[in-house]
Amino acid sequence: DAKTTQPNSMESNEEEPVHLPCNHSTISGTDYIHWYRQLPSQGPEYVIHGLTSNVNNRMASLAIAEDRKSSTLILHRATLRDAAVYYCILNDDKIIFGKGTRLHILP
Amino acid sequence: KAGVTQTPRYLIKTRGQQVTLSCSPISGHRSVSWYQQTPGQGLQFLFEYFSETQRNKGNFPGRFSGRQFSNSRSEMNVSTLELGDSALYLCASSFGQNNMNTEAFFGQGTRLTVV
Repeated sequence: DAKTTQPNSMESNEEEPVHLPCNHSTISGTDYIHWYRQLPSQGPEYVIHGLTSNVNNRMASLAIAEDRKSSTLILHRATLRDAAVYYCILNDDKIIFGKGTRLHILP
Repeated sequence: KAGVTQTPRYLIKTRGQQVTLSCSPISGHRSVSWYQQTPGQGLQFLFEYFSETQRNKGNFPGRFSGRQFSNSRSEMNVSTLELGDSALYLCASSFGQNNMNTEAFFGQGTRLTVV
């Protein structure tokens, strides 16, 4: 299974942008980069995904390095409701979760 | 449209018993995956079904099994329950056979406690 490396935890202030990094040096050409998050006491929730180009949606942006060995999830303006565990996943036709990054938002 | 529905939400069983959990995917979705979440091991992939066939399987003992029906609803069964099987069991559904370029939708999970 493809592997990703994320920081265990991060902190950010409310209403500021958050950049969540992910390294995936063993990514293959067909692996899609997916991000999910899990809020307390809930199932995981899809955030965004991409293959090569940067992607934007209403929740976040995904910036993918040119060599695809790393990516960054960008939350443009963090709110307290964004406090969650964020998982970066290489989807090779199944979703395998790593440890993720626990994001703390400071009011 | 309705989301992924898992039943029951909570369950208490005794060691040695068996348990069956149910997952109803989003209407039109044909792929269902199951995960086990524990504080120590995190989210671990159990198996995935598509059109009533198991497509992928994680590293769990044979006590863990599943099936999918023609209406895409899925069940997972755990036999001879052990204390370590206490966990949140999550189900996810997605539209097609190729999951790489599509999002998965997760249910709220079934919290199983083995005593």
